[in-house]
Amino acid sequence: GAGVSQTPSNKVTEKGKYVELRCDPISGHTALYWYRQSLGQGPEFLIYFQGTGAADDSGLPNDRFFAVRPEGSVSTLKIQRTERGDSAVYLCASSSLAGLNTGELFFGEGSRLTVL
Amino acid sequence: GDSVTQMEGPVTLSEEAFLTINCTYTATGYPSLFWYVQYPGEGLQLLLKATKADDKGSNKGFEATYRKETTSFHLEKGSVQVSDSAVYFCALSLYGQNFVFGPGTRLSVLP
Repeated sequence: GAGVSQTPSNKVTEKGKYVELRCDPISGHTALYWYRQSLGQGPEFLIYFQGTGAADDSGLPNDRFFAVRPEGSVSTLKIQRTERGDSAVYLCASSSLAGLNTGELFFGEGSRLTVL
Repeated sequence: GDSVTQMEGPVTLSEEAFLTINCTYTATGYPSLFWYVQYPGEGLQLLLKATKADDKGSNKGFEATYRKETTSFHLEKGSVQVSDSAVYFCALSLYGQNFVFGPGTRLSVLP
C-alpha cells in the first residue's frame, strides 16, 4: 500500500512480557517518528529517526523502551517487561525531507497495546 | 518546554453552524503551526499549516491564522457538515523536528 503500515493493529499481552511493534513507512521517507497516544490525549512524542539513526530519543519514558531502524526503512518499537501503564495506541509517522519543513507527517492507524 | 493548549471538547454543533476551536501555544523560538484531523477509524492527517506570523492556512473550508502576538492558531469553519465530525489536534514544530501535539478536541456535527 501507499500509506504508513503498522502491525499488529491490536496486541494484548500480560504484564512483564516483551512486545514488538512494527512500522513500515512510506517508501522513500527518510524521517520516521513514534508517538504514544493514551485515551483522550494527544500524541506524545517518543523517538524520531532520520535515516538509520535516532536523531532524538528524548521522549522514550525509560530504558524498557527501545526502537531500531536498521536499514533506514522499517522500524520496530520494542517494549520490555511491559506494565499496565504502557497500554496505549502507538502511532508511527513518516515524512520526506521536504515534508519536515511543511509539517506533512503521514501517520499510520496505530497499534493498540493492552497490558493486562 | 514547548506545549500546545486546546479548548476542551466535546464540541457538538448542528449542521451549517459556525465552528471555532481555540489553540494557544508556548514555544522557544518561532514554530510552525498545524492542525491535524483524525476521522473515525483513520490515522491522523494534516488539515492545514502556517509557517510564520500572520500566515493563514486553509483547506476544506477550514482556516487558521498564525497570531504571534497572542500565540494562537484558532481553527474556524463557517458552515460545518456532518462529515466534519472528527478529533482535531493543534500542533507545533520547531525546525521540522519534534512535533508537539495538543490533547485534541472532539467535534460532533448533528444533521
